[in-house]
Amino acid sequence: DTGVSQDPRHKITKRGQNVTFRCDPISEHNRLYWYRQTLGQGPEFLTYFQNEAQLEKSRLLSDRFSAERPKGSFSTLEIQRTEQGDSAMYLCASSLAGGGVNEQYFGPGTRLTVT
Amino acid sequence: SQQGEEDPQALSIQEGENATMNCSYKTSINNLQWYRQNSGRGLVHLILIRSNEREKHSGRLRVTLDTSKKSSSLLITASRAADTASYFCATVLMIKAAGNKLTFGGGTRVLVKP
Repeated sequence: DTGVSQDPRHKITKRGQNVTFRCDPISEHNRLYWYRQTLGQGPEFLTYFQNEAQLEKSRLLSDRFSAERPKGSFSTLEIQRTEQGDSAMYLCASSLAGGGVNEQYFGPGTRLTVT
Repeated sequence: SQQGEEDPQALSIQEGENATMNCSYKTSINNLQWYRQNSGRGLVHLILIRSNEREKHSGRLRVTLDTSKKSSSLLITASRAADTASYFCATVLMIKAAGNKLTFGGGTRVLVKP
């Protein structure tokens, strides 16, 4: 257990439905990242926050995806009008910025299946 | 798109043998990290090597970095069945605006047979 939690762990939804995932980072970590991992591939960066500010979004993050981190604590990732291609593992990670190099601590992931 | 490629894609060894996997990347990096992922689970950080370092050890792990060849290797010595997992290299780019985001390779799936 890295101290990063994600909820739910598994989500099955029908195409066209909206889903929301939650990530609770390690409490003193000010950076929070979202990645997506499809079967047999490495994770791909989606977006990251420093405190409550969303500083970068990947072009993978279409306008159906939105992420928030109110008050710089937990974060949510919402996918609207889900498509079968959204089926993947969604991973959250947190780190402590400052002082240069830092490692990221990953949560267990939320596995999304869109039917 | 992913920054790196890992080689081999899959590796099967007997318990007690050493496992070596390689990672190549394309652009200048600040550091390179190795992660382990057990089937269907989150990633666990193993070791980080900075761009000005050439070799690093942690327990049974040895990582090398050759920035001139843009490549790294991970050696697991005296492997155990519990080392069965996928191993990913991930780079952090030199660009300050990159925010320390990780760019992962495709991974090496390691099977250690008892």
